[in-house]
Amino acid sequence: SQTIHQWPATLVQPVGSPLSLECTVEGTSNPNLYWYRQAAGRGLQLLFYSVGIGQISSEVPQNLSASRPQDRQFILSSKKLLLSDSGFYLCAWSVAGYYEQYFGPGTRLTVT
Amino acid sequence: AQSVSQHNHHVILSEAASLELGCNYSYGGTVNLFWYVQYPGQHLQLLLKYFSGDPLVKGIKGFEAEFIKSKFSFNLRKPSVQWSDTAEYFCAALDRGSTLGRLYFGRGTQLTVWP
Repeated sequence: SQTIHQWPATLVQPVGSPLSLECTVEGTSNPNLYWYRQAAGRGLQLLFYSVGIGQISSEVPQNLSASRPQDRQFILSSKKLLLSDSGFYLCAWSVAGYYEQYFGPGTRLTVT
Repeated sequence: AQSVSQHNHHVILSEAASLELGCNYSYGGTVNLFWYVQYPGQHLQLLLKYFSGDPLVKGIKGFEAEFIKSKFSFNLRKPSVQWSDTAEYFCAALDRGSTLGRLYFGRGTQLTVWP
């Protein structure tokens, strides 16, 4: 069966520090991968998606970037965090196509 | 761009009450529709989905949803809620006309069930 992992689970970082959040998927090949940010009362905002290694599309211009160095690995990064980057970050995967997405446990990021 | 609206932000019910959560989407083309649920401290998980066929779909834990194309709606229902249904519920629509199949989420509805 497929599983999706995210780490760390929680993170507290000062403003201006770098960020690296990692997501890995097991049990499937060539998944579509997604990064979302969830804010209370605002649903899920799609940040990045990837249909293959090295293929990243950005939905919202911002202080963040994403990379996919391996088929089942998706990384969310920032060179310098802002206070507004605080939030709950979710990684998701889907079978390529128009199917449901499966979500990881998320990372709670607090920028101080 | 497509959007998904959930009109109820917070619903409070007593156990055994009936539930209906509203969801409307804006896209006029072919869509796949989903309800996700997030129980306290748990992953966001799929509750049910509609791709085609019978517009009344049944999901886990006694939930069902009805797709009404003419109303652009996909409301979630449960005849008798339980305390364990306390969670946040998200409606989502997937645009089958897009190259990726982008998933659009509503803002979520927090359901609180009192025992």
